[in-house]
Amino acid sequence: KAGVTQTPRYLIKTRGQQVTLSCSPISGHRSVSWYQQTPGQGLQFLFEYFSETQRNKGNFPGRFSGRQFSNSRSEMNVSTLELGDSALYLCASSWTSGRAGKDEQFFGPGTRLTVL
Amino acid sequence: AQRVTQPEKLLSVFKGAPVELKCNYSYSGSPELFWYVQYSRQRLQLLLRHISRESIKGFTADLNKGETSFHLKKPFAQEEDSAMYYCALSGLPTTNAGGTSYGKLTFGQGTILTVHP
Repeated sequence: KAGVTQTPRYLIKTRGQQVTLSCSPISGHRSVSWYQQTPGQGLQFLFEYFSETQRNKGNFPGRFSGRQFSNSRSEMNVSTLELGDSALYLCASSWTSGRAGKDEQFFGPGTRLTVL
Repeated sequence: AQRVTQPEKLLSVFKGAPVELKCNYSYSGSPELFWYVQYSRQRLQLLLRHISRESIKGFTADLNKGETSFHLKKPFAQEEDSAMYYCALSGLPTTNAGGTSYGKLTFGQGTILTVHP
């Protein structure tokens, strides 16, 4: 079974631009979560989608948004990019958004975003 | 609020020595705790979770609610254990118009374990 895939793997943007990242979950998984990973802040939760609905959101500004499609694929968008948005963005999928202890989250390889 | 603290950023041991990666958490309810591992050039993956009480690759972790800790231990470290280890907590559910979610994981800052030959 194919794992979680993320595209693109690397991205370079300049300040003020916007960017869209894509995540394809494992087939059959309906929950997709996004995390930002930086050397200073570590792994921080962005948001979670389940059946095309946002179910949970972290403490990030409104410039960060996401959506999920009917096939469970998800995209996240960052508008008006800032230097501090440079990070590895990880996507994770699971069967449901039930108890995380029962539903292991499977992570993708990440998209490395560099903002110049 | 829920918080996970991994006090050691770096940990070095020699092959065959015991290893303990520390994790402390702050959470008012009944947490579910996990250890995730990221080997070099590989993706983040689940190592073990406290509810399963199993040993994976020789690692064990016991939840100590009194000390709010979930330390990861292995009696004899191997070179292939060298990796970044993250402790994570799944806590309070959130409910909105979309339903109830337990999907948020709060991660610690991670510990880089290096096992020397």
